[in-house]
Amino acid sequence: KNQVEQSPQSLIILEGKNCTLQCNYTVSPFSNLRWYKQDTGRGPVSLTIMTFSENTKSNGRYTATLDADTKQSSLHITASQLSDSASYICVVRRGAGNMLTFGGGTRLMVKP
Amino acid sequence: DAGVIQSPRHEVTEMGQEVTLRCKPISGHNSLFWYRQTMMRGLELLIYFNNNVPIDDSGMPEDRFSAKMPNASFSTLKIQPSEPRDSAVYFCASRLGDSPSYEQYFGPGTRLTVT
Repeated sequence: KNQVEQSPQSLIILEGKNCTLQCNYTVSPFSNLRWYKQDTGRGPVSLTIMTFSENTKSNGRYTATLDADTKQSSLHITASQLSDSASYICVVRRGAGNMLTFGGGTRLMVKP
Repeated sequence: DAGVIQSPRHEVTEMGQEVTLRCKPISGHNSLFWYRQTMMRGLELLIYFNNNVPIDDSGMPEDRFSAKMPNASFSTLKIQPSEPRDSAVYFCASRLGDSPSYEQYFGPGTRLTVT
């Protein structure tokens, strides 16, 4: 069954601290994986996209990793800011078409 | 560019009423997607258009849901009759080109409440 599982479901950290969000998937065949940030009341915004051959990709303070062998991805946030408070959604594309499998998201709250 | 525009932003209606959600994609984008988001099920793809033609509507939950894209700059998602379980946030997204590797840009969503 094609699934995307994210952990933790929610996370509270202090401003300035680092954190890592996890995404495990069983989607096959794998095409690409995206991490989205969704602010409250807004639509998701893409942070990174990773294909099978990519292990690490950074976007500012966000760094995504992908291990295609273990079917795991992580999103590391460095030096968190209050504006990082949002839901982070892992989305895996299956095959060559537009079949997307969405994770349930991790809700991150950064406190001062 | 104003981004993807959705209206209304909030809709409250009674069970049995017809609901129409509207979307204006980013100019020049030729792929359009409708999603539904709930706490229980997360984000779900409902239907996908390419060049105004519905390509995949396998995510449309039932016949009460219908979507149209009469031209490149406008799409509607209609629910008739609406039910309380349709309460969710409905997102529209658009993409330049048909390649799945291109990024989708999401609108702000329409929060639908059916009482």
